[in-house]
Amino acid sequence: GQNIDQPTEMTATEGAIVQINCTYQTSGFNGLFWYQQHAGEAPTFLSYNVLDGLEEKGRFSSFLSRSKGYSYLLLKELQMKDSASYLCAVERSGGSYIPTFGRGTSLIVHP
Amino acid sequence: DADVTQTPRNRITKTGKRIMLECSQTKGHDRMYWYRQDPGLGLRLIYYSFDVKDINKGEISDGYSVSRQAQAKFSLSLESAIPNQTALYFCATSNGLAGGSYNEQFFGPGTRLTVL
Repeated sequence: GQNIDQPTEMTATEGAIVQINCTYQTSGFNGLFWYQQHAGEAPTFLSYNVLDGLEEKGRFSSFLSRSKGYSYLLLKELQMKDSASYLCAVERSGGSYIPTFGRGTSLIVHP
Repeated sequence: DADVTQTPRNRITKTGKRIMLECSQTKGHDRMYWYRQDPGLGLRLIYYSFDVKDINKGEISDGYSVSRQAQAKFSLSLESAIPNQTALYFCATSNGLAGGSYNEQFFGPGTRLTVL
């Protein structure tokens, strides 16, 4: 089975930096996704990590530690439009490559 | 035009009714999925299909059925709707690893279903 934990809600100030953590326990790990979902809209892909380390993509970065079962999404220079839910999803090894989603972290950015 | 479309976008129905949610895609992907999303519970997989002849149950398939009519179409049916099936339903597609090194999913806009 799998267990994926992320905080339910976080708040941050416009212009600041925020780190959203995700811890997981799974039998057989292949990679980890982060998706962004604005209220009432579809999730959209942000990042995928398969190797340990930091992947940077503009204002967003994602980190993975396979040995610790830990990932984080780092958002810099926060903007109001970054208010959304951020979904961590774990992809298991074994061939199907179907991710299992965590419950998501609702990020509220205030002025 | 959107790559992944869902119809209807909103539906209110009564307990016991049969409901079909439809999903179409123009991305040319082989893989299609149905998820439901409930507040506080995240996205949960109902059914998935890797090609027209391949249908698989997800973690919460009870009370649901699916049909893969063509590569581009994947329908979800609730044979006899019940109130706890009230949720936001998403269809998604992906290309497995054929499009790159990871199985990125592309989601439709969602169908908000209310069962009274």
